[in-house]
Amino acid sequence: NAGVMQNPRHLVRRRGQEARLRCSPMKGHSHVYWYRQLPEEGLKFMVYLQKENIIDESGMPKERFSAEFPKEGPSILRIQQVVRGDSAAYFCASSPNIAEAFFGQGTRLTVV
Amino acid sequence: ELKVEQNPLFLSMQEGKNYTIYCNYSTTSDRLYWYRQDPGKSLESLFVLLSNGAVKQEGRLMASLDTKARLSTLHITAAVHDLSATYFCAVDQGSNYQLIWGAGTKLIIKP
Repeated sequence: NAGVMQNPRHLVRRRGQEARLRCSPMKGHSHVYWYRQLPEEGLKFMVYLQKENIIDESGMPKERFSAEFPKEGPSILRIQQVVRGDSAAYFCASSPNIAEAFFGQGTRLTVV
Repeated sequence: ELKVEQNPLFLSMQEGKNYTIYCNYSTTSDRLYWYRQDPGKSLESLFVLLSNGAVKQEGRLMASLDTKARLSTLHITAAVHDLSATYFCAVDQGSNYQLIWGAGTKLIIKP
């Protein structure tokens, strides 16, 4: 089992561009979570998804951010028209249940 | 709203010493996690504490949970350089695994 795979590991975007972050959960895991981490801070919950469903998106900004977890393929966190304040590390975690989650290596987004 | 506070936020200590990191949280929760993060890396799960009085130990690290005091501690015994990292506690709000995270304790252990 390869663990939670996130790609890319590093992503640089100019202001106004779109960023797409991918997360392949561990085999057999149907729960996916996205978190954002600003430098020197803890993680902030963004969204919780199960296959084809958004369960809880209370931590997601109302505009420009969206997430999906299709029946086939990875979960995608999409940020449209990125701004400098979107620069952060974005972590994905997956879980077979809600007891414990396993984190990916993260995608470090830099907006220039 | 659940808030999680860790202290200290920064700790520099000598090898061989003992120290404790504290994690306070503001509302009732029965599930608390400790994670380790090395610079530029992902988060490694250290402990999951599920009930009042729970104590878990792994090597030089020991974690405990007091749900009545809403306090968890991470105790480091005879610290070694390899334990240098940032340690986070996170508390489960009760559903959907929406963890609320502390700000982290950056631990530097000097030879």
